Amino acid sequence: DVQMTQSPSNLAASPGESVSINCKASKSISKYLAWYQQKPGKANKLLIYSGSTLQSGTPSRFSGSGSGTDFTLTIRNLEPEDFGLYYCQQHNEYPDTFGAGTKLELK
Amino acid sequence: EVQLVESGGGLVQPGRSMKLSCAASGFTFSDYYMAWVRQAPKKGLEWVASISYEGSSTYYGDSVKGRFTISRDNAKSTLYLQMNSLRSEDTATYYCARRQVQRYFDYWGQGVMVTVSS
Repeated sequence: DVQMTQSPSNLAASPGESVSINCKASKSISKYLAWYQQKPGKANKLLIYSGSTLQSGTPSRFSGSGSGTDFTLTIRNLEPEDFGLYYCQQHNEYPDTFGAGTKLELK
Repeated sequence: EVQLVESGGGLVQPGRSMKLSCAASGFTFSDYYMAWVRQAPKKGLEWVASISYEGSSTYYGDSVKGRFTISRDNAKSTLYLQMNSLRSEDTATYYCARRQVQRYFDYWGQGVMVTVSS
């Protein structure tokens, strides 16, 4: 199975700042990485797939980069609604595997 | 608007069975693979199972293989997860998700809690 290592596990930032979350795969997954946002009481939201393709409705302040084993989610100019949990998922091969999550908190 | 609504969760004793349902609306159900993903309390997401368009192909994670069965009824736009021989480690919120051809999950339900305890 492809192991996904996400870092940092916790991140504190203020509105208006930029942050980056990293995801490392245990072997190459080409470009096939997705990012999700999880917030209490809401359905999980797909933000980005195939490494850098924004899902319809994802604000342009979100961007994804990387290929092979190393990927990054960057959020520029943080908005209050961006605080929550973020997960990466490799969608290159079975079984689909997720990172352990990054909690983005308000500083 | 795509909607996925899970039901059927609750408290169940170890070794017993439980069946989850997911009612889909807002899209042509038979045009998509579907999946179940779970999240144990305070833990991350774990893919459980996926099923093809007509249900002819199914895929399972190692932790549930042989105990869980994913199925679908396209006439009812409903996805199911039959869970047998439940263990305490199956305690989790179970999410129904729509799976795209490239195998990411573009829509999720709000989840249903399953607690396995005596």
